[in-house]
Amino acid sequence: KNQVEQSPQSLIILEGKNCTLQCNYTVSPFSNLRWYKQDTGRGPVSLTIMTFSENTKSNGRYTATLDADTKQSSLHITASQLSDSASYICVALGKLIFGQGTELSVKP
Amino acid sequence: IAGITQAPTSQILAAGRRMTLRCTQDMRHNAMYWYRQDLGLGLRLIHYSNTAGTTGKGEVPDGYSVSRANTDDFPLTLASAVPSQTSVYFCASSDSEVLMGEDQPQHFGDGTRLSIL
Repeated sequence: KNQVEQSPQSLIILEGKNCTLQCNYTVSPFSNLRWYKQDTGRGPVSLTIMTFSENTKSNGRYTATLDADTKQSSLHITASQLSDSASYICVALGKLIFGQGTELSVKP
Repeated sequence: IAGITQAPTSQILAAGRRMTLRCTQDMRHNAMYWYRQDLGLGLRLIHYSNTAGTTGKGEVPDGYSVSRANTDDFPLTLASAVPSQTSVYFCASSDSEVLMGEDQPQHFGDGTRLSIL
């Protein structure tokens, strides 16, 4: 069964702290994996895309990893800011299977 | 500002009524998509279109229909609304062909919040 599982479901951290969000996928055929950020009441916005041959990619304070062997991806956020509060969604491309998202709340 | 415009932003509808959700993009993207987003579930693809004049079924197409008469518009119609169609609906577009790797990101609208009573 094609599916994408994200963990944790929700996370609360203090401003300035780091955090890591997980995404496990079982999708075939698999091409790429993309991370989106969705602010409350808004549509998702792309953060980064990982191809099956890439291990790590950074976009500012966001660093995504992909392990194609274990079918796992992570999104690491460094030095969190209040504006990072949002839902983070991973999607396995090729089948357009979206994870349910991780709700991140950054507190002052 | 370039992007995706969805209308209405929210709607309360009686069961059995017909409803069309509008979606317009000004980026000249070939591919367009309709999703529904329900609490605790990921975005689920309803219908998609790779180019004007063509449409395809996604994961949850039943009860919905779409048309793609031109590049910019991709309306979603609920012929006879049922309470289970209460959801937030998102329209998106991209330069990539749907279900072929999508190396280009999707650009989403801000959604239509639909309640069926």
